[in-house]
Amino acid sequence: GNSVTQMEGPVTLSEEAFLTINCTYTATGYPSLFWYVQYPGEGLQLLLKATKADDKGSNKGFEATYRKETTSFHLEKGSVQVSDSAVYFCALSDYGGATNKLIFGTGTLLAVQP
Amino acid sequence: ETGVTQTPRHLVMGMTNKKSLKCEQHLGHNAMYWYKQSAKKPLELMFVYNFKEQTENNSVPSRFSPECPNSSHLFLHLHTLQPEDSALYLCASSGVQSGRSEQYFGPGTRLTVT
Repeated sequence: GNSVTQMEGPVTLSEEAFLTINCTYTATGYPSLFWYVQYPGEGLQLLLKATKADDKGSNKGFEATYRKETTSFHLEKGSVQVSDSAVYFCALSDYGGATNKLIFGTGTLLAVQP
Repeated sequence: ETGVTQTPRHLVMGMTNKKSLKCEQHLGHNAMYWYKQSAKKPLELMFVYNFKEQTENNSVPSRFSPECPNSSHLFLHLHTLQPEDSALYLCASSGVQSGRSEQYFGPGTRLTVT
């Protein structure tokens, strides 16, 4: 079945450091790919998405490119801030019959220190 | 109200109590979801509703009973819960029936079973 694997955390960085959180997937067909972010005490927020191969999703300085050849969707940011501290989830769409589901990775905790 | 709202935000209940969680989406979506998020475990999809019809039940114990009276409202009725049911319960909605659509999450209900 379809699945998502993302790097284990926690990832601890200093402010203004470069961020990469790896995400790889296994899927049949052509799923859409997503990154969600969860700040402490809140629900998940959609950060960015890509719907086809070579698409680049971007938002708030974060980017991820849909790489079909490597089945990857790595999240990057050039300069992180303390306010980026959160848990980041990679996900793919999984549509079967009448059900539209997302398959989530286990989440990666990012801690940014001043 | 905008987006997806959930009430209550926090709930403490005894194992013999009966309570209900409520979710409302103000996005005009047709699909709604319940997820369970426990510490150190992946996000677990519990139920999926599409146009008020249940399309997925991921082997959830019968002490959790969902109800979807219309496309904007989703309830999770709880009775005789166990301490291991303590978790963050997240509601989400999505707009189209294709597998490419993102889901929008509410802030969650933090449930503690004593």
